[in-house]
Amino acid sequence: SQKIEQNSEALNIQEGKTATLTCNYTNYSPAYLQWYRQDPGRGPVFLLLIRENEKEKRKERLKVTFDTTLKQSLFHITASQPADSATYLCALDMRAGTALIFGKGTTLSVSS
Amino acid sequence: ETGVTQSPTHLIKTRGQQVTLRCSSQSGHNTVSWYQQALGQGPQFIFQYYREEENGRGNFPPRFSGLQFPNYSSELNVNALELDDSALYLCASSLELDESGEQFFGPGTRLTVL
Repeated sequence: SQKIEQNSEALNIQEGKTATLTCNYTNYSPAYLQWYRQDPGRGPVFLLLIRENEKEKRKERLKVTFDTTLKQSLFHITASQPADSATYLCALDMRAGTALIFGKGTTLSVSS
Repeated sequence: ETGVTQSPTHLIKTRGQQVTLRCSSQSGHNTVSWYQQALGQGPQFIFQYYREEENGRGNFPPRFSGLQFPNYSSELNVNALELDDSALYLCASSLELDESGEQFFGPGTRLTVL
């Protein structure tokens, strides 16, 4: 069966450390993988997109890797801050502009 | 440039009733997708509209229906409400031919069915 899993429901780290979130999928062949941030009671906000032929993408303190052999994406936030506390969702995109298939999300808490 | 807006913000209905939720797309976007997000879950795709036509549908029964208007705003209609329909309903707009695939989400409508 097809599955998308974000391995940790919750992740607690100290300010300044690097947060690493994992997204694994089974029986999908996404063209893209996207990461979104969602704050309580709000809609998801786009962070980064990585294509199937890209290994790594960076944006400021964010880094995403994509391994289509392992069927896994890692999302890193370096020098984390309390303001980074939120739920992070990974989403598979079979083709640009089509429906996204979301994981359940990982709730990150950064303590000062 | 205005973002995606949704109305109402919150809604309480009883079982068996019908509800209509509304969404205004981001300026210039011709594709709208609707998602249902239950508490503690990721958004689940309901359907997508492109240029007023349904362009894909997720695993939701026919009592979930939609419309897209010429100005690309959209409605989600749910008939015969059930308790399990209680969720945050999200609308997202995108440019169908946009290489990035990024979707712009609205703040959602929180529906409670009693």
